[in-house]
This record gives sequence, structure tokens and C-alpha cells, in this order.
Amino acid sequence: GESVGLHLPTLSVQEGDNSIINCAYSNSASDYFIWYKQESGKGPQFIIDIRSNMDKRQGQRVTVLLNKTVKHLSLQIAATQPGDSAVYFCAENTSGTYKYIFGTGTRLKVLA
Amino acid sequence: SAVISQKPSRDICQRGTSLTIQCQVDSQVTMMFWYRQQPGQSLTLIATANQGSEATYESGFVIDKFPISRPNLTFSTLTVSNMSPEDSSIYLCSAATGGGQPQHFGDGTRLSIL
Repeated sequence: GESVGLHLPTLSVQEGDNSIINCAYSNSASDYFIWYKQESGKGPQFIIDIRSNMDKRQGQRVTVLLNKTVKHLSLQIAATQPGDSAVYFCAENTSGTYKYIFGTGTRLKVLA
Repeated sequence: SAVISQKPSRDICQRGTSLTIQCQVDSQVTMMFWYRQQPGQSLTLIATANQGSEATYESGFVIDKFPISRPNLTFSTLTVSNMSPEDSSIYLCSAATGGGQPQHFGDGTRLSIL
């Protein structure tokens, strides 16, 4: 289930299940979006990106969905593994600008 | 993607002192950035490090407190000046080839001020 922790919302999933992490972005002019994974003691690691001319993009075990109407982004992880345990951040950007706005993050816990 | 190295990876400092964090990218990049991340929280942009000119600071961050250098297209430094316990945080460097392109991050510098 999903719960709000001290700082980060946490999503707990059973190993092997699919995970869906959601993000509401703030700027309707944003047209480029990235999902990052941050493991403990590490910097954010690029997972997948999507531009606003697409609704869906797939990678290896991951899919990003973009709903521009409601300014919503989601990251789906198939067959979640213990190594997927991390904090996940979405980031939005407007083409031609350098600034990225990061979401608040979601902690994913994979239960054995 | 660019590989970004930061050093030191962590440090414990006395209040009132200053620390310079180095960021090295393994290829030339157009843009380099410095972020701060409090434990359990998201990333806050401090400034954009501009090659050959003064850094561009975000609201709430000033050059006197966080002087930044960018002498070339692969290297930048961030100095945290006159440190206080409130400066205890993770400082992250990132780089991108341009707007609308992925930013890639170093592993950060974990700074504690006593």
C-alpha cells in the first residue's frame, strides 16, 4: 500500500508484482520529463525520459505514461525486484530552458 | 551518458569554515548545475555554473555564501562558505548537453557541520 512517511511517500510492493509510481507536475509549459532512481548514498540515476509529443514510452521493465491534460506522469515497473528499492523522482523541463523542476519523490520498498 | 565524479564524497567540518567541492565530467558538457538535497527530501537547485561567466543563482542562494567556479567545459567547484549546522546536507553536481536533454548526476558530497 501507499503511505506518507516523515518526508517521502512510500510505496510497498511484493517482489514480482508491478509497481506504479505517480507524479503530478506543475508547469503546463513543460514538455520534457525524466524519471530518476536514487539509491541510498548515491546520486539520482537516469531511468527513462519522455517528450510531450508522446503519451507512452517503454524501456527495459519500465514504462512511462504522460497525461498532459491533467499534468500527470507515471512510472510503471514490471516484475519489481529487490534491486528496485530506491527513491524515485520525476523531473520536468521546458525546451530551450535549462531548469529542471524535481518532484517530491516516492520511496519504493520491495517486500520479499 | 557523461560520468560525473565529485569529491570529497563526505566531510565533517567545523562551523565558520569553508569547504570546496569539486565536480569533474568525463566529457565536455554545455551545462553544469549544483543542487542541495536534505535527507529524505527532493533536490533544490542552487545555481547553474556557466563557463566563462558568473554563475546564475536561484532565489535564496547568493554568491557570497556559495561561490562557484567553472573554468572549462568539464570542471566546476562549489564552495560552501562560513558554514553553519544548517548547511549540513548533500550537495550534488549534475551536467547536461543542453536544455531538453537529460541531466546526469554525481554521487554527491555529504556534508556535516559541527
